[in-house]
Amino acid sequence: SQQGEEDPQALSIQEGENATMNCSYKTSINNLQWYRQNSGRGLVHLILIRSNEREKHSGRLRVTLDTSKKSSSLLITASRAADTASYFCATDAGETSGSRLTFGEGTQLTVNP
Amino acid sequence: DSGVTQTPKHLITATGQRVTLRCSPRSGDLSVYWYQQSLDQGLQFLIQYYNGEERAKGNILERFSAQQFPDLHSELNLSSLELGDSALYFCASSVVAGVRNEQFFGPGTRLTVL
Repeated sequence: SQQGEEDPQALSIQEGENATMNCSYKTSINNLQWYRQNSGRGLVHLILIRSNEREKHSGRLRVTLDTSKKSSSLLITASRAADTASYFCATDAGETSGSRLTFGEGTQLTVNP
Repeated sequence: DSGVTQTPKHLITATGQRVTLRCSPRSGDLSVYWYQQSLDQGLQFLIQYYNGEERAKGNILERFSAQQFPDLHSELNLSSLELGDSALYFCASSVVAGVRNEQFFGPGTRLTVL
């Protein structure tokens, strides 16, 4: 079963706008990661935020983590048509779970040119 | 390119058959993970190997098995295939199991069971 729940399930925006995707999870974690998947392709790791971090930036990506609410958000600024993809959050509960990643159901982002 | 390779890219087979999916991790990565992605179940963790030994098990059916060889490549064996096994199967690798477990995914094997 999926630990994470992402919302929205689908998001359609215009190029240049910002896109925000949210993720909620249920158990305590060591870190939370965001991945991107182009249709039918492999997943690409975007960013990892540790449980003791609150915010992290990487290029046009900004990730926040609120462990008290068990939630995270991914912000993509100044979106481009090439950002069109599915975005997944994945939680890592650490050694006790054998470091598996538990993925959410994903947000399908469409950026219209 | 993540550095993780998977073969074959596509596999079409019939119910009841057995197939083997192969994965070569990134150079230096000791952990290999297998995931299944289907429309109804999403991305599901199947199994993890670390340096040749099974480390964690997820939602892996008894009809499925995996192993990691001394050269660290891994194989996922799927037997007595059913229509519902049709899915994308991903392999991922990481350096070590631990707090910073960034995983690098291969392109996947698309399995179609007819």
